[in-house]
Amino acid sequence: DILMTQSPSSMSVSLGDTVSITCHASQGISSNIGWLQQKPGKSFKGLIYHGTNLEDGVPSRFSGSGSGADYSLTISSLESEDFADYYCVQYAQFPLTFGAGTKLELK
Amino acid sequence: DVQLQESGPGLVKPSQSLSLTCTVTGYSITSDYAWNWIRQFPGNKLEWMGYISYSGSTSYNPSLKSRISITRDTSKNQFFLQLNSVTTEDTATYYCARLRKGGLYYFDYWGQGTTLTVSS
Repeated sequence: DILMTQSPSSMSVSLGDTVSITCHASQGISSNIGWLQQKPGKSFKGLIYHGTNLEDGVPSRFSGSGSGADYSLTISSLESEDFADYYCVQYAQFPLTFGAGTKLELK
Repeated sequence: DVQLQESGPGLVKPSQSLSLTCTVTGYSITSDYAWNWIRQFPGNKLEWMGYISYSGSTSYNPSLKSRISITRDTSKNQFFLQLNSVTTEDTATYYCARLRKGGLYYFDYWGQGTTLTVSS
């Protein structure tokens, strides 16, 4: 199975900050990575697919980057609705595997 | 709009089987895509469990292969998860989700999740 190592596990940030979350795959995954957002007590919303593509309706302050085994999700100009948990998921190989998550908290 | 909704018993005893249903509205599960079960354990770890494709083929996580079965009822546009011989370690929130396959893969619709507790 491909291991997805996500960091950091949590971040204390302020409104308007720019933050980056990273995922390192245990092998190259050719941009077959997505990023998911989960708000407390809620289900998941897809943000990014195939490394850099925004899903429909996702604000442009979200962006994805990376190649090989290393990928990042960047959120620019944090808004109050962005305080949530974020997960990466690799789609390169079954079984699909997820990062452990990053919690964004208000400083 | 596409919607997925999980349903299940909420509580199952150890060694029993769990059965969950995902009801899909707004799209036929026989048209396209793969229809997945994913679970989130207490502490938030996520595990992909498996899928049934629009054609009826299945793929399972090898970690569950001996205990899991995903089936469907196309007349009701539902798919199902059965997990046998459950233990307390199967306590989790279970989600169904649609997966785009072929070229670009991603989950584009999720259900709200159903919480399952395994306890005597």
